[in-house]
Amino acid sequence: KAGVTQTPRYLIKTRGQQVTLSCSPISGHRSVSWYQQTPGQGLQFLFEYFSETQRNKGNFPGRFSGRQFSNSRSEMNVSTLELGDSALYLCASSLNTLNTEAFFGQGTRLTVV
Amino acid sequence: QQQVKQSPQSLIVQKGGIPIINCAYENTAFDYFPWYQQFPGKGPALLIAIRPDVSEKKEGRFTISFNKSAKQFSLHIMDSQPGDSATYFCAASIEEKLVFGKGTKLTVNP
Repeated sequence: KAGVTQTPRYLIKTRGQQVTLSCSPISGHRSVSWYQQTPGQGLQFLFEYFSETQRNKGNFPGRFSGRQFSNSRSEMNVSTLELGDSALYLCASSLNTLNTEAFFGQGTRLTVV
Repeated sequence: QQQVKQSPQSLIVQKGGIPIINCAYENTAFDYFPWYQQFPGKGPALLIAIRPDVSEKKEGRFTISFNKSAKQFSLHIMDSQPGDSATYFCAASIEEKLVFGKGTKLTVNP
């Protein structure tokens, strides 16, 4: 069974640009959530989607957005990039809710210069 | 208060030792407590998880102890090996999100 796939693995962007990251969950999983990981703040929740609906959102500015498609694949978008957005962005998938087993992808390493 | 406090920040043990990582929380609405292991350059991997109605869970060399009244839980790694050297995160689930501790960097010396 394939794991969670995130693309691309690495990305370098310039301040002010926008970026779109992609996540394909484990087959059959309908919940996809996104996290930002930085050395200073650790792992922080961005948002969670289930059946194309956002069920919860973390404390991030509106520049961070996401969506989920009917096949459960998800994308997150960051507009007007800032240097502080440099981080590892992780996607996790679970069957139904996050109080069941959640599996993470390898992440997308975003560097903003 | 949706925080999970994890300690210690770093831990060094000898091969065969039993490292213990502790986590504490305030919000009694948390309903699921997983532990993740992360190697450099990789995403976190689910190790073991427990629900608040269980006081202990063991899977292989990994054991979670859960104290509901004290709002604390801990991870024990029996017979630790150099390959266990990684960063460990505790987490707690609420409202479709995981709240993570800050992580413990474990080093197991040969």
